[in-house]
Order: sequence, then C-alpha cells, then structure tokens
Amino acid sequence: EPEVTQTPSHQVTQMGQEVILRCVPISNHLYFYWYRQILGQKVEFLVSFYNNEISEKSEIFDDQFSVERPDGSNFTLKIRSTKLEDSAMYFCASSLIGMAGELFFGEGSRLTVL
Amino acid sequence: GQQVMQIPQYQHVQEGEDFTTYCNSSTTLSNIQWYKQRPGGHPVFLIQLVKSGEVKKQKRLTFQFGEAKKNSSLHITATQTTDVGTYFCAGPSGTYKYIFGTGTRLKVLA
Repeated sequence: EPEVTQTPSHQVTQMGQEVILRCVPISNHLYFYWYRQILGQKVEFLVSFYNNEISEKSEIFDDQFSVERPDGSNFTLKIRSTKLEDSAMYFCASSLIGMAGELFFGEGSRLTVL
Repeated sequence: GQQVMQIPQYQHVQEGEDFTTYCNSSTTLSNIQWYKQRPGGHPVFLIQLVKSGEVKKQKRLTFQFGEAKKNSSLHITATQTTDVGTYFCAGPSGTYKYIFGTGTRLKVLA
C-alpha cells in the first residue's frame, strides 16, 4: 500500500538553528500539507501546497517557515531559526483530491529544540 | 476563526462498554472526516460523511453527521483494547485546509 514517508524521524537542534524536514508524498497525489502536534495536543494545520505553490497557511506559518517541492517527489518544510516553542511532532500529509479527499499522513518527524 | 471542539477530552471505559465522542463546529461543514491516532502514531483516516443526517457504520463504529452539518458523533459499541487512541474529527476550512478537532483520548481498561 502506498504511504507517505518522512525523514528524519527525530531531530534535536539548538535554538536558532535551521531545520529541514523532508517528506515524500504518495506519488499520484496532488495536494500536500504540513501539520504539527505539540505533545498531547491537537493536530494543527500549518500549510497546504498545490500546483507548486502555497494554497493556504495558518497564523503559525510565519516568515520563519517555508515549504518547497524541489523535484517531483520531495516536499520539504524549512524552519529558518528554530525557537523552543517549535518543539513538536511535524506531520506531512497528502491527498489525491482537495477538500473531499482523505488525508494520508506520514509517521511524523519529532523536532526537539534545546 | 473556525473552531472544531470535541467532548469529552478524555474517556476511560471498561472493555466491553460503549464509547461516544461528539464533535461541534462553529460553522457549517460541507463534509466531516474522522481520524484515529494510536499512542505514538499518526492520524489514520476512518471515514468521511457528506450528507446532512448521514449515518455510516464500520463494524462496531457508527458515525453520524448532524442535520445542520455542524456536528458529528462517533460511537463505538463494546470497546476493545485495540480501540485505544485519540479520535479526531476534521472539517474543511477555506479551500485547501482541514481543521482538526480537539480530540478525544480513549483508554480501554481490560
């Protein structure tokens, strides 16, 4: 069964460092998302991406965040200068169709900012 | 902005008891999805409801979408230890965004 893969599974970084989280969505999917989940809390929307551009972004997704689809397969989330409060599990998701489609989530990348 | 709330936040049940989680949106939804997240895992899609008043069943799970399309519920009959996890509803907001509910964490005691 096709799946969304994410790397790394866990990253520890110092405050102020740049982090790149990588995702390989399901190959024929067209819509890509990043969500984050602080431990024990709800799944928060960060950004959606379609047709090689950002479709929507949340208030959390400020200038420190960026997304890119550098080639036909990878979808990356970059945090330029990490803060302590960026510590969370980051989930990538993809869907075949937009607002009526099942979201397929990766297993997540746990980011710990010290 | 749009909010999606779920109650209860936590529920502990004895194995074999029933469980229900309720989801309420501040706005009318075109559809609603339900996801399950096992401890330490990622959200996994369970079902999507589209029509007002729709009821769908998956084995011991029954999903309902309210008549006004602002609320939904998930009912599990005769819980098992494999039902442990957090159940989230999610509704579309804008064009390319699903907002997740606050979640209900279910613990099943054997």
